[in-house]
Amino acid sequence: RKEVEQDPGPFNVPEGATVAFNCTYSNSASQSFFWYRQDCRKEPKLLMSVYSSGNEDGRFTAQLNRASQYISLLIRDSKLSDSATYLCVVNDEDSSYKLIFGSGTRLLVRP
Amino acid sequence: DADVTQTPRNRITKTGKRIMLECSQTKGHDRMYWYRQDPGLGLRLIYYSFDVKDINKGEISDGYSVSRQAQAKFSLSLESAIPNQTALYFCATAGQDNQPQHFGDGTRLSIL
Repeated sequence: RKEVEQDPGPFNVPEGATVAFNCTYSNSASQSFFWYRQDCRKEPKLLMSVYSSGNEDGRFTAQLNRASQYISLLIRDSKLSDSATYLCVVNDEDSSYKLIFGSGTRLLVRP
Repeated sequence: DADVTQTPRNRITKTGKRIMLECSQTKGHDRMYWYRQDPGLGLRLIYYSFDVKDINKGEISDGYSVSRQAQAKFSLSLESAIPNQTALYFCATAGQDNQPQHFGDGTRLSIL
């Protein structure tokens, strides 16, 4: 079983739609969770950290479900510029300083 | 100016050549990392370092070596490049445990 699993997509949605991605992780002891955004052939950029209580940043909401070991990302009112690959990231089971990256979920927002 | 800078941005070379990829940072972070990314795969850790004298292997260190010359610099070497090392390489830094990592722009390496 992969340590961090994501649906590769692509999710193809119209502008203005709400879209949600889930990610499952295998290590119940993980403490750090992040969502990164990666544009084609560019570096990953931190989108948001994911806290136990959930957090929101504008149109983006992240949730953590420790019991089921998954995190989610919700994007409201999708923009064309949201088209990218979204990477789910969890810290390594043996160390808090190493991160495990999912393969990413691709989002395409169409006009 | 970018906080994490990688050079070169692109490199095409031949099998058997020695290649060095450089990474420098102005963030003042102690932790530095080298990853490679292949299509359809997540980022895979090659090496990481917490300090000038500290070098640690990641999950795919075979065929690679690193040098941490200073807190701000971390270089990756391929002693004898082979075609399956063709990939996108990223350097990253982090300030503390449980903190997110910050990436350089990447180096696109092609080995013929």
